Amino acid sequence: KAGVTQTPRYLIKTRGQQVTLSCSPISGHRSVSWYQQTPGQGLQFLFEYFSETQRNKGNFPGRFSGRQFSNSRSEMNVSTLELGDSALYLCASSLSRDRGTGEAFFGQGTRLTVV
Amino acid sequence: GQQVMQIPQYQHVQEGEDFTTYCNSSTTLSNIQWYKQRPGGHPVFLIQLVKSGEVKKQKRLTFQFGEAKKNSSLHITATQTTDVGTYFCAGPSGAGSYQLTFGKGTKLSVIP
Repeated sequence: KAGVTQTPRYLIKTRGQQVTLSCSPISGHRSVSWYQQTPGQGLQFLFEYFSETQRNKGNFPGRFSGRQFSNSRSEMNVSTLELGDSALYLCASSLSRDRGTGEAFFGQGTRLTVV
Repeated sequence: GQQVMQIPQYQHVQEGEDFTTYCNSSTTLSNIQWYKQRPGGHPVFLIQLVKSGEVKKQKRLTFQFGEAKKNSSLHITATQTTDVGTYFCAGPSGAGSYQLTFGKGTKLSVIP
């Protein structure tokens, strides 16, 4: 079956702009999580959605937001971009049978560069 | 908040040598997961450990979960160039949490 699909793969934006990233989970997976990966901070959790509800949110400013649609596809939005937002944004889906357990399947990521 | 520490940050080994990475959590974990990320790739799930003292093997890889469920290790026997990548451990961020907290990873280089 198809894996987790993230679009676009690469983005270059200017400071102050906003950006929307998209994630299509594996068919049947209802949990979608987003992570920011940078060389200095590693993988940092942004938020997790299940059945269109945000269940957990990481320690990121309100400029970072997300949502999930009824078909489990998810989007994340970053407004008023800053240079420090340059990172690889990874989406992961899982069956989420139990809290915090189960294999997370990651997409290829979106490489965001803010100039 | 919960912290997950991994050591070493980098490891360079000669092909055929063994490799071990260690993971320590500031809190007791209900389970621990291990992922591998190849250069330029995305994290790929390797295994999940749930029981105290659990040991699981996948070919040349051996995973252990500590008795107190606060630490874990991944040992690779006789490394190969295909083992190159960054190995991450991850655990749930607290009781009832759907959030995974990742360690910063150990980047393994294998010299042929």
